[in-house]
Amino acid sequence: EVQLVESGGGLVQPGGSLRLSCAASGFTFSGHYMDWVRQAPGKGLEWVGRTRDKPHSYITEYAASVKGRFTVSRDDSQDSVYLQMTSLKTEDTAVYYCVRVQGGNAHVLDYWGQGTLVTVSS
Amino acid sequence: QSALTQPASVSGSPGQSITISCTGTSSDVGGYNFVSWYQQHPGKAPQLMIYDVSIRPSGVSNRFSGSKSGNTASLTISGLQAEDEADYYCCSFSISTALVFGTGTEVTVL
Repeated sequence: EVQLVESGGGLVQPGGSLRLSCAASGFTFSGHYMDWVRQAPGKGLEWVGRTRDKPHSYITEYAASVKGRFTVSRDDSQDSVYLQMTSLKTEDTAVYYCVRVQGGNAHVLDYWGQGTLVTVSS
Repeated sequence: QSALTQPASVSGSPGQSITISCTGTSSDVGGYNFVSWYQQHPGKAPQLMIYDVSIRPSGVSNRFSGSKSGNTASLTISGLQAEDEADYYCCSFSISTALVFGTGTEVTVL
């Protein structure tokens, strides 16, 4: 069974940093791109960023709203993906989901974690 | 990259069919057959319902179907059931960003 478990959310002040983790199990982690998607309270889904797999040089991509502030990374030896968030703004407040990208279909998000809440507030 | 446009809400009676639209541009929805749909119940994570415009993943009811015409994709739910009450989001590949989501549609079963 595919499982994605996020951790690391919490309350942080504007301008601060936070690192989210996602532990994966139940599939060959190294063979999949991994994404982060967020959802502000009462709002819609927003794609945040992606790490590709080793054959694709672990290339990362980001939404314009977070580029230069957020960094996606992965550790295939630990079956984990991370989201390092810096220079946080109040508008970054959201539930952050770790998501598996379907193998061979880079536009399909086939398994989602339960999410971790990040609150940016003074 | 602007979000794809969906109606804020759609409603129907049990047994009826409803259709949710998702309008983008030639740079996303209209340019590629890479549209997917996600269902989200309150307080839960989204779940993949349709991908590549019209393909249902294993385990998804055949009451859900997808289509596309020009820059607009559609999700149809036939034989509406109480359990279908949820938020629905379309999503597309975009040339300007890896993925772009729709604004979301709240489905109410009357």
